[in-house]
Amino acid sequence: GDSVTQMEGPVTLSEEAFLTINCTYTATGYPSLFWYVQYPGEGLQLLLKATKADDKGSNKGFEATYRKETTSFHLEKGSVQVSDSAVYFCALSDPGYIPTFGRGTSLIVHP
Amino acid sequence: GAGVSQSPSNKVTEKGKDVELRCDPISGHTALYWYRQSLGQGLEFLIYFQGNSAPDKSGLPSDRFSAERTGGSVSTLTIQRTQQEDSAVYLCASSGGQDYTEAFFGQGTRLTVV
Repeated sequence: GDSVTQMEGPVTLSEEAFLTINCTYTATGYPSLFWYVQYPGEGLQLLLKATKADDKGSNKGFEATYRKETTSFHLEKGSVQVSDSAVYFCALSDPGYIPTFGRGTSLIVHP
Repeated sequence: GAGVSQSPSNKVTEKGKDVELRCDPISGHTALYWYRQSLGQGLEFLIYFQGNSAPDKSGLPSDRFSAERTGGSVSTLTIQRTQQEDSAVYLCASSGGQDYTEAFFGQGTRLTVV
């Protein structure tokens, strides 16, 4: 079955540091790929998505590129802020199928 | 509604009691999912409803858990004879419209069994 593997956290960074959170996937079809973010005490909200190979999703300074050859969708941001502290989930989804989520990576950004 | 709505936002219950958690999906969304998030853990799939099809119950952890979806809209997750290990955040999501792959989440219900 489909699966998503993302790096273990927590990831602790200083403000303005560069962020990478690795995500790899296994899928039988051609799923869409997502990054969701969960702020403390809230539900998950979509951060960005990509629907086909080589697509780049971007939002709020975050980027991720759908790499079919390496089955990866790594999340990056050039300069993190304290307000980016949250849990980040990588996910994949095919129409009509149950979305599959990674275990989540906690990001802590210090001033 | 504008988004997925869950109620209650918090629920404290005594061990052995039954609880009902409610999810009101985005209007027109045909797919509805329930997930459980335990402290420090990822998302555990529980159950999936798609239109009028029979639900996929493969993620329900025991027969104490059940869910229904009335009229293709509101869903209720019921946990009977609650146990302390049921304490978690229960998240509901829906999808549909032009992009069936994007899931929209509610704020979750934090369940504490004491």
